[in-house]
Order: sequence, then C-alpha cells, then structure tokens
Amino acid sequence: GIQVEQSPPDLILQEGANSTLRCNFSDSVNNLQWFHQNPWGQLINLFYIPSGTKQNGRLSATTVATERYSLLYISSSQTTDSGVYFCAATPGTYKYIFGTGTRLKVLA
Amino acid sequence: EPEVTQTPSHQVTQMGQEVILRCVPISNHLYFYWYRQILGQKVEFLVSFYNNEISEKSEIFDDQFSVERPDGSNFTLKIRSTKLEDSAMYFCASDVQGAGETQYFGPGTRLLVL
Repeated sequence: GIQVEQSPPDLILQEGANSTLRCNFSDSVNNLQWFHQNPWGQLINLFYIPSGTKQNGRLSATTVATERYSLLYISSSQTTDSGVYFCAATPGTYKYIFGTGTRLKVLA
Repeated sequence: EPEVTQTPSHQVTQMGQEVILRCVPISNHLYFYWYRQILGQKVEFLVSFYNNEISEKSEIFDDQFSVERPDGSNFTLKIRSTKLEDSAMYFCASDVQGAGETQYFGPGTRLLVL
C-alpha cells in the first residue's frame, strides 16, 4: 500500500522563525490533508490540498502531485504552533493514510 | 461551524470488558470512519462505513471490533473484549464524499485498558 513519510521528525524553533515541513508519498494520491495535533491530542484540519497552493494566515501548503510531495510552510512561528503536524493521503479508497508526523516545538 | 463530537473523552476499563465509543458525525455527512492512535505513534485507519455497511476495514479491525449506526445521528465503535494493546486514542471522522474531500475528525476518546 501507499507509504507516507514526513520530514524532519523533530523540529525546534525560536519564536518568529519560519519552517518548512515535508510530506512524501510513495504512489499517486487523490487527496491530501494536513493536520495539527495539539497538546490535548485533537486533530485540527489545516488544509485539504490534493494539488496546488493554499494559504491561511501564517500557514501555507503546496502539493505537487506529479512529484509525490507536499510542503507545509509556517511563517513567524508562535509557541501555540507547537505540536505534531501530520499529513494524510488517500490513494482513492475511503481511508486516509497518515504519515509519521513532524513534532514541532517553538520556544519563546 | 459543524463539528464531529465524541463521548466519552476518557474511558478506563479492565481487560476483557466491553467498551462502546460514541460519535456524532456532522449531520449532512454520509461517510463515517474510526481511526486509532497508540500513544506516540501515527494515526491508523480502522474502518469506514457508508450506507449502513462497512466499506473498508484494516487488518487491525478484527472480530473483536464492530461498528453500528443505531439511529440517524450516532455512530459507535464496540470493542467486545478489550486487551491491553487496545489502549489508544480513538478518533471518529466523517465526510461527504468518501475521502474525496476534507475529512473532519472528532476530539477523540482516550481509552486505557488495565
């Protein structure tokens, strides 16, 4: 089945710094989502982005489906951005396959 | 904004006991899912449900697990005889088009089996 890998696994930033998180997938996908898992364990939808680029405030995401990767950009990071970021992709079946996550810690 | 809700938020049970986790999907959604996340690991798909039947299930979803939509609003996951390794966060999710667009996740139920 499809494999979803994320890098880096861990990231520590100073408040105000920018970062790029990467998601690679092993096969073509129909759909892709980015999530933020907060310290309470909740999965927060960030982007539904099967292709192209989207922006929402300080966050933006780009998916290049033909090259099998997606990027999540965080600009001017804040301590509240801390948590784990997951990408999840579906090859066309009902289920989303989650990546292993990037654990982000933003220091004040 | 509509959201998926789950109850209880936390549940502690003894090994061998039955548990039922409850979810209320977003009202106009047609596809429903359960995922689980063992502490510190990634989120894993368990089962999808559409039109009152299972659409797809993973190898994790064995005979100890079952799902049901008992009425027009609730969606449940039952674990018949819990094992220590069932301890995890269980997420319910729903969407309109069967992973063809944004899938919305509930806040999760943290299950601890002692």
